[in-house]
Amino acid sequence: EVQLVESGGGLVKPGGSLRLSCAASGFTFSAYSMNWVRQAPGKGLEWVSSISGYSSYIYHADSLRGRFSISRDNAKNSLFLQMNSLRAEDTAVYYCTKSGGANPLAPQDYWGQGTLVTVSS
Amino acid sequence: QSVLTQPPSASGTPGQRVTISCSGSSSNIGGNAVNWYQQLPGTAPRVLIYSDSRRPSGVPGRFSGSKSGTSASLAISGLQSEDEADYYCEAWDDSLNGRVFGGGTTLIVL
Repeated sequence: EVQLVESGGGLVKPGGSLRLSCAASGFTFSAYSMNWVRQAPGKGLEWVSSISGYSSYIYHADSLRGRFSISRDNAKNSLFLQMNSLRAEDTAVYYCTKSGGANPLAPQDYWGQGTLVTVSS
Repeated sequence: QSVLTQPPSASGTPGQRVTISCSGSSSNIGGNAVNWYQQLPGTAPRVLIYSDSRRPSGVPGRFSGSKSGTSASLAISGLQSEDEADYYCEAWDDSLNGRVFGGGTTLIVL
């Protein structure tokens, strides 16, 4: 059974940093692209970043490039999102998702339950 | 403002057929596959339709997807109360080099 468990969310002050983690199990982690998607309170889904199986291809939303960075550790079946210079508008539930194939363009076929990041003084 | 345009809401009565539209451009829907996600209240989204019209195992046949040019549609037939949810379309955008979502459509079963 595929499982994606996010951690690392919490309350952080504006300008601060946070590193989110996603522990994956139930599939051959390195064979699949992975993604982060966020959802602000009461708002829609917003794609954050995608990474291919061996990190050859990395994509970030234009609005977040330079502040957010995606990475993965295939030996530990883990996905990460480093978030710097956080702003109030980054407050959201952050979902870790698995792509349906090696291609980062593949549909997101599994989603974690999400971790809440709150940016506030 | 989302790159893909969806109506903010839709509604129907039990048993009815409803459709939700998703409008884009040649850089996203016009050239790449469209996926649809369902988000029930208080839960994480799940994929409902992928590659324009394909249904994952476990998704009822009442749900179907189609695409024409730069627009896509999700159809739900035999509407049920448990279909009340938010629905999002998604595609890859070649100009932005990333995924784009529609703003979401809240479906209300009257």
